[in-house]
Amino acid sequence: DIQMTQSPSSLSASVGDRVTITCQASQDITNYLNWYQQKPGKAPKLLIYDVANLETGIPSRFSGSGSGTDFTFTISSLQPEDFATYYCQQYGSPPYTFGQGTKLEIK
Amino acid sequence: QVQLQQSGPGLVEPSQTLSLTCAISGDSISRNSVTWNWIRQSPSRGLEWLGRTHYRSKWSSDYAISVRGRIIIKPDTSKNQFSLQLNSVTPEDTAVYYCARTDIVVAFDYWGQGTLVTVSS
Repeated sequence: DIQMTQSPSSLSASVGDRVTITCQASQDITNYLNWYQQKPGKAPKLLIYDVANLETGIPSRFSGSGSGTDFTFTISSLQPEDFATYYCQQYGSPPYTFGQGTKLEIK
Repeated sequence: QVQLQQSGPGLVEPSQTLSLTCAISGDSISRNSVTWNWIRQSPSRGLEWLGRTHYRSKWSSDYAISVRGRIIIKPDTSKNQFSLQLNSVTPEDTAVYYCARTDIVVAFDYWGQGTLVTVSS
């Protein structure tokens, strides 16, 4: 299985901050990388697919980049509703695996 | 608007079978570009993809190695829904189970509401 390693596992930030999360794959997954947001008691929500494509309705403050094994997710200016847990997910080859999550908390 | 509505018991005894159903509205289970998936989440295992079913001229399913041999995911075209059966469950199968869709890209764009399944006697 392809292992996805996210860092950091948790992050404290303030409204208006720029935050970056990284995700590293254990092997080359080209651009087969998605990002999700999950709030307590809710299902994950797709934010970005294929590294950098925003899902419909997702604000442009969210962005992604990378290729191969190293990927980055950025929120350019944190809003109150962005405090949540974020996951990367690869589909380079099944089984489709997720990172362990990054919990973004209010400072 | 696509909606996935899950149903099934929240408590299963060890060694028994976990059974959940995901009813689809706003889409057709047989549409060629979609897949229908089950994913679970637990504190110890995180988010874990379990398997999927899809129609490409015929129905097929494929499963994660971690549960292969214990799992069946199958469609019910008459009701536009699909199901999960996980056999011989142990307490390690305790998790929130989600159904989810992909369409063209393997990104899970619609999810069910989640069902907490506890394996306990």
